[in-house]
Formats: sequence, structure tokens, C-alpha cells
Amino acid sequence: AQSVTQPDIHITVSEGASLELRCNYSYGATPYLFWYVQSPGQGLQLLLKYFSGDTLVQGIKGFEAEFKRSQSSFNLRKPSVHWSDAAEYFCAVYVTGTASKLTFGTGTRLQVTL
Amino acid sequence: DGGITQSPKYLFRKEGQNVTLSCEQNLNHDAMYWYRQDPGQGLRLIYYSQIVNDFQKGDIAEGYSVSREKKESFPLTVTSAQKNPTAFYLCASSIKSGPLEQYFGPGTRLTVT
Repeated sequence: AQSVTQPDIHITVSEGASLELRCNYSYGATPYLFWYVQSPGQGLQLLLKYFSGDTLVQGIKGFEAEFKRSQSSFNLRKPSVHWSDAAEYFCAVYVTGTASKLTFGTGTRLQVTL
Repeated sequence: DGGITQSPKYLFRKEGQNVTLSCEQNLNHDAMYWYRQDPGQGLRLIYYSQIVNDFQKGDIAEGYSVSREKKESFPLTVTSAQKNPTAFYLCASSIKSGPLEQYFGPGTRLTVT
């Protein structure tokens, strides 16, 4: 069965520092990949998605992610973090088939120190 | 403004009572979803609907029921058969089913004591 792994439960970075959140997936074919962000007590907002083509995708709020097929990874990056980026980040993979659905990772909580 | 509305934000119930969570969207989306979120477990799919009058079970449908009588509405009932109903419930929609962006509501936090 497909799965999504976010190995870091909690990450703390200083404002202005760079950020990389890790995401690994387990799926035979090329998946459809997503990153969502959730502020406390709120719903999720799509940051970016990868379907095909250029493996480096740009998203909203200055985020980008790179799809690496050889590593089954889709890591999220931002060159300079702002205090408002503190939130929980979810990687998700959409798998097609008899039970097509979006499968989410367990999330990474980002704390930003001033 | 288009979007998804979930009400109420907080809901409290006694054990043994059924409770219905509301989800309304004015995005004209065909597909709607219900997720349950627990700390450290990400989001898990409860039910989804690809079109009016049709819905399918997700990964954790036991103890839940849904209806889709109108395109814009997808209420979720948490029944007394749900062993551990206390959680944060999120409703989402997409233009149609498939690998498309899902738009999420603000969620309902249900506490059952």
C-alpha cells in the first residue's frame, strides 16, 4: 500500500534561516504529490503540487519543492523563513486505482524563533 | 466569497449521542470529503462523495454516516458506535474527484465526554 513518511515531527528554525522539510513516499508509479500547510485550529491550504514535468516546483508564500524519483522524495524548501511560517506542514500523495484517494503524511510542526 | 463552511467550530456531546457536523460549499465542486485529524496521525479519510446521491467509504468509515442530497452539502453524522469520536474533523471539496487540489474548511473540533 502507498504511504507517505515525514520523518521530522517537529523542527525549529530561526527567522531568516533556510528551511527544508522532508517527505518520502512509497508508491510504484510516479505519484501526484502535494504540500499543504495548516495554521493552528484551521483547515489546510495548498502550497504546491507536482504532477509531471519540471521536478522543481514553485508554490505560494515563497516555498518550493523538488521531486527526486531516485530517492522517492519530495522535500519542501524555503530560503528564508518568516515568523508567520510557523504552522504544521503536510505532504500528501494521490494514488490512482480502485481506491483513488489522497494519503497524508503525519505532518511536521514548524516553530520559528525570533 | 467562495469557500467551505463548517459549523460549529466547537461541539460538545455526551457519550452515546449521535451528532451531525455540517459542511457547506459554494464552489460548485462535485467532489466532497470528510477527514479526521488526530495529533501525530495526519489526516485520515472517513467518507467521500464524487457526485450528488453517491458516496464511498474511506479508510475509517466505521461509526460514521454521510449523505449527499445536494451538491453543496455533505453532512457527517458521528454515531454512538464510533469508539473514540473526540477529534478534529475537516471537510474538503474539489472540482471533481481525482488528483486535484482539495479546498478545506476551517474544521470542527468535537469533544465527547
